[in-house]
Amino acid sequence: AQKITQTQPGMFVQEKEAVTLDCTYDTSDQSYGLFWYKQPSSGEMIFLIYQGSYDEQNATEGRYSLNFQKARKSANLVISASQLGDSAMYFCAMRDPGAQKLVFGQGTRLTINP
Amino acid sequence: EAGVTQFPSHSVIEKGQTVTLRCDPISGHDNLYWYRRVMGKEIKFLLHFVKESKQDESGMPNNRFLAERTGGTYSTLKVQPAELEDSGVYFCASSLKSGGRETQYFGPGTRLLVL
Repeated sequence: AQKITQTQPGMFVQEKEAVTLDCTYDTSDQSYGLFWYKQPSSGEMIFLIYQGSYDEQNATEGRYSLNFQKARKSANLVISASQLGDSAMYFCAMRDPGAQKLVFGQGTRLTINP
Repeated sequence: EAGVTQFPSHSVIEKGQTVTLRCDPISGHDNLYWYRRVMGKEIKFLLHFVKESKQDESGMPNNRFLAERTGGTYSTLKVQPAELEDSGVYFCASSLKSGGRETQYFGPGTRLLVL
Protein backbone atom coordinates (compact mmCIF):
# COMPACT_ATOMS: atom_id res chain seq x y z
CA ALA A 1 0.00 0.00 0.00
CA GLN A 2 1.13 3.49 -0.71
CA LYS A 3 1.95 5.87 2.11
CA ILE A 4 2.84 9.54 2.29
CA THR A 5 4.63 10.97 5.31
CA GLN A 6 4.89 14.63 6.16
CA THR A 7 6.94 14.89 9.34
CA GLN A 8 6.49 18.61 9.98
CA PRO A 9 3.09 19.33 11.54
CA GLY A 10 3.91 23.05 11.65
CA MET A 11 6.55 25.44 10.38
CA PHE A 12 7.22 29.11 11.05
CA VAL A 13 9.25 31.11 8.55
CA GLN A 14 10.14 34.76 8.17
CA GLU A 15 8.74 36.55 5.14
CA LYS A 16 11.04 36.49 2.10
CA GLU A 17 12.93 33.43 3.30
CA ALA A 18 12.87 30.18 1.35
CA VAL A 19 11.10 27.25 2.95
CA THR A 20 11.26 23.50 2.35
CA LEU A 21 8.32 21.28 3.23
CA ASP A 22 9.24 17.63 3.58
CA CYS A 23 7.45 14.72 1.98
CA THR A 24 8.52 11.10 1.82
CA TYR A 25 6.59 8.34 0.18
CA ASP A 26 6.48 4.60 0.08
CA THR A 27 5.47 2.62 -2.96
CA SER A 28 6.50 -0.51 -4.79
CA ASP A 29 5.35 0.89 -8.12
CA GLN A 30 7.83 2.22 -10.65
CA SER A 31 5.37 4.62 -12.22
CA TYR A 32 3.59 7.13 -10.04
CA GLY A 33 2.76 10.80 -9.72
CA LEU A 34 3.39 13.19 -6.85
CA PHE A 35 1.36 16.30 -6.13
CA TRP A 36 1.39 19.22 -3.76
CA TYR A 37 -1.75 21.09 -2.78
CA LYS A 38 -2.20 24.25 -0.72
CA GLN A 39 -5.18 24.78 1.55
CA PRO A 40 -5.53 28.35 2.82
CA SER A 41 -7.81 29.21 5.71
CA SER A 42 -10.70 29.68 3.28
CA GLY A 43 -10.70 25.90 2.82
CA GLU A 44 -10.26 25.30 -0.89
CA MET A 45 -7.54 22.94 -2.05
CA ILE A 46 -5.30 24.56 -4.63
CA PHE A 47 -3.11 22.45 -6.92
CA LEU A 48 0.49 23.68 -6.87
CA ILE A 49 2.82 21.31 -8.65
CA TYR A 50 3.17 17.84 -10.14
CA GLN A 51 6.14 15.48 -10.51
CA GLY A 52 6.04 12.26 -12.49
CA SER A 53 8.27 9.42 -11.38
CA TYR A 54 9.93 9.26 -14.78
CA ASP A 55 10.44 13.00 -15.13
CA GLU A 56 14.15 13.64 -15.40
CA GLN A 57 14.00 17.19 -14.17
CA ASN A 58 12.55 18.59 -10.99
CA ALA A 59 9.21 20.28 -11.55
CA THR A 60 8.97 24.05 -11.16
CA GLU A 61 5.97 26.39 -11.15
CA GLY A 62 6.83 30.00 -10.44
CA ARG A 63 8.06 30.25 -6.85
CA TYR A 64 7.35 26.55 -6.27
CA SER A 65 9.79 23.80 -7.05
CA LEU A 66 9.84 20.16 -6.19
CA ASN A 67 13.06 18.62 -4.96
CA PHE A 68 12.54 15.08 -6.22
CA GLN A 69 14.99 12.45 -4.95
CA LYS A 70 13.73 9.17 -6.29
CA ALA A 71 16.26 6.93 -4.58
CA ARG A 72 15.40 8.46 -1.23
CA LYS A 73 11.69 8.49 -2.06
CA SER A 74 11.35 12.11 -1.17
CA ALA A 75 9.46 14.91 -2.92
CA ASN A 76 10.04 18.07 -0.92
CA LEU A 77 8.29 21.31 -1.86
CA VAL A 78 10.49 24.39 -1.95
CA ILE A 79 8.89 27.82 -1.84
CA SER A 80 11.27 30.62 -2.68
CA ALA A 81 10.93 34.15 -1.33
CA SER A 82 7.99 33.33 0.92
CA GLN A 83 5.07 35.74 1.17
CA LEU A 84 2.44 36.29 3.84
CA GLY A 85 -0.12 34.74 1.50
CA ASP A 86 1.79 31.47 1.57
CA SER A 87 0.50 30.82 5.08
CA ALA A 88 -1.66 27.71 4.69
CA MET A 89 -1.81 23.95 5.08
CA TYR A 90 0.24 22.08 2.49
CA PHE A 91 -0.52 18.53 1.48
CA CYS A 92 1.68 16.10 -0.39
CA ALA A 93 -0.14 13.40 -2.34
CA MET A 94 0.63 10.43 -4.56
CA ARG A 95 -1.27 8.66 -7.28
CA ASP A 96 -0.42 5.19 -8.45
CA PRO A 97 -1.02 4.05 -12.00
CA GLY A 98 -3.39 1.29 -11.00
CA ALA A 99 -5.96 3.59 -9.47
CA GLN A 100 -6.78 7.21 -9.93
CA LYS A 101 -7.25 8.04 -6.29
CA LEU A 102 -4.81 10.26 -4.44
CA VAL A 103 -3.17 9.20 -1.20
CA PHE A 104 -2.42 12.16 1.05
CA GLY A 105 -0.04 12.94 3.85
CA GLN A 106 -1.21 14.56 7.07
CA GLY A 107 -0.20 18.01 5.94
CA THR A 108 2.12 20.75 7.18
CA ARG A 109 0.78 24.04 8.48
CA LEU A 110 3.08 26.81 7.26
CA THR A 111 3.00 30.22 8.91
CA ILE A 112 4.85 33.13 7.35
CA ASN A 113 5.77 35.83 9.84
CA PRO A 114 6.18 39.47 8.73
CA GLU B 1 -14.31 28.89 -16.11
CA ALA B 2 -16.07 27.97 -12.90
CA GLY B 3 -14.26 25.65 -10.53
CA VAL B 4 -15.62 22.73 -8.58
CA THR B 5 -18.47 23.84 -6.37
CA GLN B 6 -19.90 22.12 -3.33
CA PHE B 7 -23.09 22.66 -1.39
CA PRO B 8 -23.65 23.24 1.45
CA SER B 9 -20.46 24.75 2.77
CA HIS B 10 -21.41 23.73 6.32
CA SER B 11 -23.91 21.32 7.78
CA VAL B 12 -24.72 20.62 11.41
CA ILE B 13 -27.03 17.68 12.04
CA GLU B 14 -27.93 15.35 14.86
CA LYS B 15 -26.95 11.74 15.01
CA GLY B 16 -29.42 9.61 13.13
CA GLN B 17 -30.42 12.31 10.67
CA THR B 18 -29.77 12.28 6.95
CA VAL B 19 -27.55 14.69 5.07
CA THR B 20 -26.98 15.05 1.35
CA LEU B 21 -23.91 16.76 -0.01
CA ARG B 22 -23.73 18.01 -3.57
CA CYS B 23 -20.79 18.50 -5.90
CA ASP B 24 -20.76 20.21 -9.28
CA PRO B 25 -17.57 19.40 -11.14
CA ILE B 26 -15.82 21.58 -13.67
CA SER B 27 -17.80 21.49 -16.89
CA GLY B 28 -16.62 18.72 -19.19
CA HIS B 29 -14.76 16.78 -16.52
CA ASP B 30 -15.70 13.13 -16.74
CA ASN B 31 -13.88 12.14 -13.57
CA LEU B 32 -15.34 13.02 -10.20
CA TYR B 33 -13.91 12.06 -6.84
CA TRP B 34 -15.06 12.26 -3.25
CA TYR B 35 -12.59 12.53 -0.37
CA ARG B 36 -13.00 13.06 3.34
CA ARG B 37 -10.82 14.50 6.08
CA VAL B 38 -11.76 13.53 9.59
CA MET B 39 -10.37 15.87 12.27
CA GLY B 40 -6.61 15.57 12.61
CA LYS B 41 -6.26 12.79 10.09
CA GLU B 42 -5.27 12.45 6.46
CA ILE B 43 -7.53 13.26 3.58
CA LYS B 44 -8.89 9.90 2.47
CA PHE B 45 -10.39 8.77 -0.79
CA LEU B 46 -14.01 7.68 -0.82
CA LEU B 47 -14.92 6.97 -4.42
CA HIS B 48 -14.40 7.79 -8.07
CA PHE B 49 -16.93 8.27 -10.86
CA VAL B 50 -16.22 8.18 -14.55
CA LYS B 51 -19.22 9.92 -16.03
CA GLU B 52 -22.17 8.27 -14.30
CA SER B 53 -20.40 5.00 -13.45
CA LYS B 54 -18.68 4.18 -10.19
CA GLN B 55 -15.11 3.32 -11.13
CA ASP B 56 -13.77 2.76 -7.63
CA GLU B 57 -15.71 2.83 -4.41
CA SER B 58 -13.13 1.09 -2.27
CA GLY B 59 -12.94 3.98 0.17
CA MET B 60 -16.60 4.14 1.10
CA PRO B 61 -16.67 3.42 4.84
CA ASN B 62 -19.97 1.53 5.03
CA ASN B 63 -23.42 1.21 3.56
CA ARG B 64 -24.65 4.34 5.30
CA PHE B 65 -22.94 6.26 2.52
CA LEU B 66 -24.53 6.43 -0.91
CA ALA B 67 -23.06 8.33 -3.83
CA GLU B 68 -24.75 9.04 -7.12
CA ARG B 69 -23.88 10.97 -10.23
CA THR B 70 -26.97 11.66 -12.25
CA GLY B 71 -26.37 11.85 -15.98
CA GLY B 72 -22.66 12.15 -15.47
CA THR B 73 -22.89 15.74 -14.28
CA TYR B 74 -23.27 16.69 -10.63
CA SER B 75 -22.88 14.18 -7.82
CA THR B 76 -24.51 13.71 -4.45
CA LEU B 77 -23.21 11.95 -1.37
CA LYS B 78 -25.87 10.93 1.11
CA VAL B 79 -25.16 9.86 4.65
CA GLN B 80 -28.06 8.00 6.24
CA PRO B 81 -28.22 7.72 9.20
CA ALA B 82 -25.36 9.97 10.22
CA GLU B 83 -23.10 8.95 13.08
CA LEU B 84 -20.74 11.04 15.21
CA GLU B 85 -17.66 9.66 13.44
CA ASP B 86 -18.93 10.97 10.11
CA SER B 87 -17.99 14.50 11.14
CA GLY B 88 -15.30 16.01 8.97
CA VAL B 89 -14.69 17.87 5.75
CA TYR B 90 -15.94 16.25 2.55
CA PHE B 91 -14.09 17.28 -0.58
CA CYS B 92 -15.09 16.76 -4.15
CA ALA B 93 -12.57 16.87 -7.00
CA SER B 94 -12.82 16.55 -10.74
CA SER B 95 -10.45 15.95 -13.61
CA LEU B 96 -10.65 15.99 -17.36
CA LYS B 97 -9.06 12.62 -17.99
CA SER B 98 -7.62 9.75 -16.04
CA GLY B 99 -4.00 8.85 -15.60
CA GLY B 100 -0.76 10.42 -16.70
CA ARG B 101 -0.41 14.00 -15.60
CA GLU B 102 -4.10 14.24 -14.77
CA THR B 103 -4.66 16.91 -12.16
CA GLN B 104 -7.57 16.71 -9.80
CA TYR B 105 -9.14 20.08 -9.02
CA PHE B 106 -10.79 20.31 -5.65
CA GLY B 107 -13.84 22.11 -4.42
CA PRO B 108 -13.91 24.10 -1.17
CA GLY B 109 -15.35 21.21 0.81
CA THR B 110 -18.42 20.69 2.96
CA ARG B 111 -17.85 20.82 6.69
CA LEU B 112 -20.13 18.28 8.34
CA LEU B 113 -20.67 18.19 12.08
CA VAL B 114 -22.76 15.41 13.56
CA LEU B 115 -23.90 16.07 17.13
